[in-house]
Amino acid sequence: AQSVTQLDSQVPVFEEAPVELRCNYSSSVSVYLFWYVQYPNQGLQLLLKYLSGSTLVKGINGFEAEFNKSQTSFHLRKPSVHISDTAEYFCAVSRSNYQLIWGAGTKLIIKP
Amino acid sequence: DAGITQSPRHKVTETGTPVTLRCHQTENHRYMYWYRQDPGHGLRLIHYSYGVKDTDKGEVSDGYSVSRSKTEDFLLTLESATSSQTSVYFCAISASGETQYFGPGTRLLVL
Repeated sequence: AQSVTQLDSQVPVFEEAPVELRCNYSSSVSVYLFWYVQYPNQGLQLLLKYLSGSTLVKGINGFEAEFNKSQTSFHLRKPSVHISDTAEYFCAVSRSNYQLIWGAGTKLIIKP
Repeated sequence: DAGITQSPRHKVTETGTPVTLRCHQTENHRYMYWYRQDPGHGLRLIHYSYGVKDTDKGEVSDGYSVSRSKTEDFLLTLESATSSQTSVYFCAISASGETQYFGPGTRLLVL
């Protein structure tokens, strides 16, 4: 069965520092991969997605992610975070029956 | 933002009463989903629809039913609300079953 693991439940980082949020998945077949962001008391917003092609995917708000098939990872990165990036970030993997499998989420905490 | 609205946005109800949440879309997307979000559990799929009158169960469907009589509306009904159904409920839509777009959510409190 497919699964998604977000390795850190919380990631504290200083403002203007780089950040990496880790996501690993298990799947024996080709997948689509997604990162969503949820700001406090809001719905989920698509940050970026990998469907095919270049393994480096750029998203909104300066985020990017790299698909690594051999390591079955899709880590999210940003070179310099801002206080407005405080949110919870969810990694998701598609299933063959039009559903997504979700990670448990990583809370990004920006320290001033 | 995708045209998705959820109503009501907040609701307080009592144990044992039926509750219906509505998801409305203006995107004419084929797929619609209902999730619940609880601390420590992330997002869990309740039911989804792959077309008008075509629905299927997700991982936490017990105590919930859905209906989709037209493309734009997907209703979630809690047949007899329990305190364990206190949660935030999100609707999502997808054109091709690949990328999902989310509504703003409904906060439900069952007393």
